[in-house]
Amino acid sequence: EVQVLESGGGLVQPGGSLRLSCAASGFTFSSYAMSWVRQAPGKGLEWVSIISGSDDSTYYIDSVKGRFAISRDNPKNTVYLQMNSLRVEDTAVYYCLKGSSANYYINMDVWGQGTTVTVSS
Amino acid sequence: DIVMTQSPDSLSVSLGERATINCKSSQSVLYSSNNKNYLTWYQQKPGQPPKLLIYWASTRESGVPDRFSGSGSGTEFTLTISSLQAEDVAVYYCHQHFRFPFTFGPGTKVDIK
Repeated sequence: EVQVLESGGGLVQPGGSLRLSCAASGFTFSSYAMSWVRQAPGKGLEWVSIISGSDDSTYYIDSVKGRFAISRDNPKNTVYLQMNSLRVEDTAVYYCLKGSSANYYINMDVWGQGTTVTVSS
Repeated sequence: DIVMTQSPDSLSVSLGERATINCKSSQSVLYSSNNKNYLTWYQQKPGQPPKLLIYWASTRESGVPDRFSGSGSGTEFTLTISSLQAEDVAVYYCHQHFRFPFTFGPGTKVDIK
């Protein structure tokens, strides 16, 4: 069964850091793009970042550029989201998503259950 | 950025009746080289992560009931539930992956009348 499972969320003070992990199983991880999408409490979905499955190219939404970094460890079947200089407005459930191919201009076909990040003093 | 809008914000439909959700993009998401619309529909049930329903605007994901269908091209798209079932109560989002930053519509909440 194709699955992705997030971990690493928690409560952090403004300006702090967290690293989210997403462990994948059931597919050839290195062949697929992976993405992060977040959902603030009671709000809609916001795409955050993506890493391709071919050349590790990365893209980010403007509000996290320079603060967040997506990376992948193919032997460990894991994608990460390093989040620095966290702001209150980064509070959300963060979902890890599997792309339907290595290319990043594709739909995301599998979502994880999400991990909650709360930024508060 | 490509802005996605959806209408209505919410709708109440009787069991067995049709539900229609509209999605518009501020720019075309049709890629002329392959004639594909980079438009996806997701369903999010209460307390659950979203689930893929429709991709390339009109291709139903494997396992999705055939009462769900997608149509449209360019900047205007529609998700139709032909005969609403109780398990279809959810928020539905359209999503463009044509240009960065990828964006989602605000969602349409569907419930039972």
